[in-house]
Amino acid sequence: ETGVTQSPTHLIKTRGQQVTLRCSSQSGHNTVSWYQQALGQGPQFIFQYYREEENGRGNFPPRFSGLQFPNYSSELNVNALELDDSALYLCASSLAQQGNTEAFFGQGTRLTVV
Amino acid sequence: GESVGLHLPTLSVQEGDNSIINCAYSNSASDYFIWYKQESGKGPQFIIDIRSNMDKRQGQRVTVLLNKTVKHLSLQIAATQPGDSAVYFCAENRPPGGGYNKLIFGAGTRLAVHP
Repeated sequence: ETGVTQSPTHLIKTRGQQVTLRCSSQSGHNTVSWYQQALGQGPQFIFQYYREEENGRGNFPPRFSGLQFPNYSSELNVNALELDDSALYLCASSLAQQGNTEAFFGQGTRLTVV
Repeated sequence: GESVGLHLPTLSVQEGDNSIINCAYSNSASDYFIWYKQESGKGPQFIIDIRSNMDKRQGQRVTVLLNKTVKHLSLQIAATQPGDSAVYFCAENRPPGGGYNKLIFGAGTRLAVHP
């Protein structure tokens, strides 16, 4: 167990709807990164949050947005859902510290858009 | 559980043999590289990392080799066990604006260990 928890574990939404996914980071970690993993592929970096601010973003449109709270937990919001948004969404928590490369992943939220 | 890597390349090995999983990366500016293991229904699990100024690093039963000349990374697993069966991903840290844990993952390789 990594200590990173995500909710919900599974979710079905209709095209055009909005969704919010949640992540509780490991105790002591101050950074959360979100990834999208399509079936049969490696995870793709969406964005990272550090000290409640976005700290880097991958190649995802603005309808993917996020929040980080004072307790370092985080949310991923996706608006105007498309069928291609169906994927496993992973969050990874880490401690922003020089030289610290280890990130701990949660088990993910499986989102299905129909 | 979920199926990870349905159409990934597969490496099949006998229990007890050594396994070598290869990965090509794309950006010479990446500052470190990580190998992750992902079992069905779970998130990726950190195995070992290596910085760009190193060419070899060893852990418990695992060794990572980095060849920057040809942008190639490999993971060697000694005495492979059934519990090693999973999908393995290499990842490079290529952060826009610097920092850590903004990872670019490779496509993955499925390791199947047979008794």
